[in-house]
Amino acid sequence: ETGVTQTPRHLVMGMTNKKSLKCEQHLGHNAMYWYKQSAKKPLELMFVYSLEERVENNSVPSRFSPECPNSSHLFLHLHTLQPEDSALYLCASSLGLAGVAGDRDEQFFGPGTRLTVL
Amino acid sequence: AQSVSQHNHHVILSEAASLELGCNYSYGGTVNLFWYVQYPGQHLQLLLKYFSGDPLVKGIKGFEAEFIKSKFSFNLRKPSVQWSDTAEYFCAVTLLSGGSYIPTFGRGTSLIVHP
Repeated sequence: ETGVTQTPRHLVMGMTNKKSLKCEQHLGHNAMYWYKQSAKKPLELMFVYSLEERVENNSVPSRFSPECPNSSHLFLHLHTLQPEDSALYLCASSLGLAGVAGDRDEQFFGPGTRLTVL
Repeated sequence: AQSVSQHNHHVILSEAASLELGCNYSYGGTVNLFWYVQYPGQHLQLLLKYFSGDPLVKGIKGFEAEFIKSKFSFNLRKPSVQWSDTAEYFCAVTLLSGGSYIPTFGRGTSLIVHP
């Protein structure tokens, strides 16, 4: 499989559940990202990892917990979410970050996980 | 705080009309600039990008964008749109922060092209 894949594609969970979103990239990239896409709002960057180290945490509530075990996989662990957390969660990857301008930060996106919190 | 503004949230055009979508950013340092497109039911994908050189960049499907540094703008243009250009368009800017380039997206512009 090529590109960036995300599972599950759809998830419905209660506020007391614990679930995880998975992202896998098959592009040999070193940077991975989690975004939240809500209706009528800008795409919100949540977390950025470069070479498995978190480099950005954009004031995201602690009920969202990322994990990057290696440069190909990224997880988003969800715990005691709120209904307002319902959104499309997008994963992306890029060749790198590393303060180098140019092609390294072109992002490749997955299809997203549509999350509904009841 | 650094931000990216897309002025047009919804644009409706007829086929063959010309298109210009505005994008402005608020940051005085080095930037990389992107336009991404999301066709109905598909992934976000890159349309075009600028990081150095000629400020007029050409992308896929006849799109182009011009970086005007003095205006902090990166407007997207197409001289003649097609029905298949119906999509959501996102401007993105990667800004240098703590030694890394961190992306910031605009809120998107929904384009509908009538046949």
